[in-house]
Amino acid sequence: ILNVEQSPQSLHVQEGDSTNFTCSFPSSNFYALHWYRWETAKSPEALFVMTLNGDEKKKGRISATLNTKEGYSYLYIKGSQPEDSATYLCAFSEGSQGNLIFGKGTKLSVKP
Amino acid sequence: DTAVSQTPKYLVTQMGNDKSIKCEQNLGHDTMYWYKQDSKKFLKIMFSYNNKELIINETVPNRFSPKSPDKAHLNLHINSLELGDSAVYFCASRPPGSNTGELFFGEGSRLTVL
Repeated sequence: ILNVEQSPQSLHVQEGDSTNFTCSFPSSNFYALHWYRWETAKSPEALFVMTLNGDEKKKGRISATLNTKEGYSYLYIKGSQPEDSATYLCAFSEGSQGNLIFGKGTKLSVKP
Repeated sequence: DTAVSQTPKYLVTQMGNDKSIKCEQNLGHDTMYWYKQDSKKFLKIMFSYNNKELIINETVPNRFSPKSPDKAHLNLHINSLELGDSAVYFCASRPPGSNTGELFFGEGSRLTVL
């Protein structure tokens, strides 16, 4: 059974704080690692798709890194804003069919 | 325009009934998926359709059947509904040409079985 673990489960920060979360995944048969942002009552939206060890991707104040050899990815948010409040999902693809295995997510709440 | 749309958004029904959830995407994608968000909040894949061929079926009971009348639609039929089928079901699609491409999700359909 392939598991994707995310930590912490939830996080409460003040506006302006920087924060980061972790995604752990099996280091064998790696194909791709996805990060999604999921706001309440909306659909998950892709942030990043990473495929190469050492990849770093950035979108505005959000960035992610990937270590496929040890099986982890970090998501960083710099200067958190209330609109960053959402659940951040990590998903691992272990085969050429592209089947994604999702973690439970990290729920971020940013207080003004 | 909603890229991936699901109907209905909410469905309340009795045990033993048969129901369907529809999904349509207007993105020109050729792979579509159904995911179930279980009681522990995990998103778990149920089915995948590529060019109208089923390519993944992850140990889902055969009471669940995907039907794809064309590339833009993947509907989910559920027969003889059980209490444990209560969940949120998400449809998703993926652009052609890459199995690493991001998924585009619908907003989910919350099914409650009484």
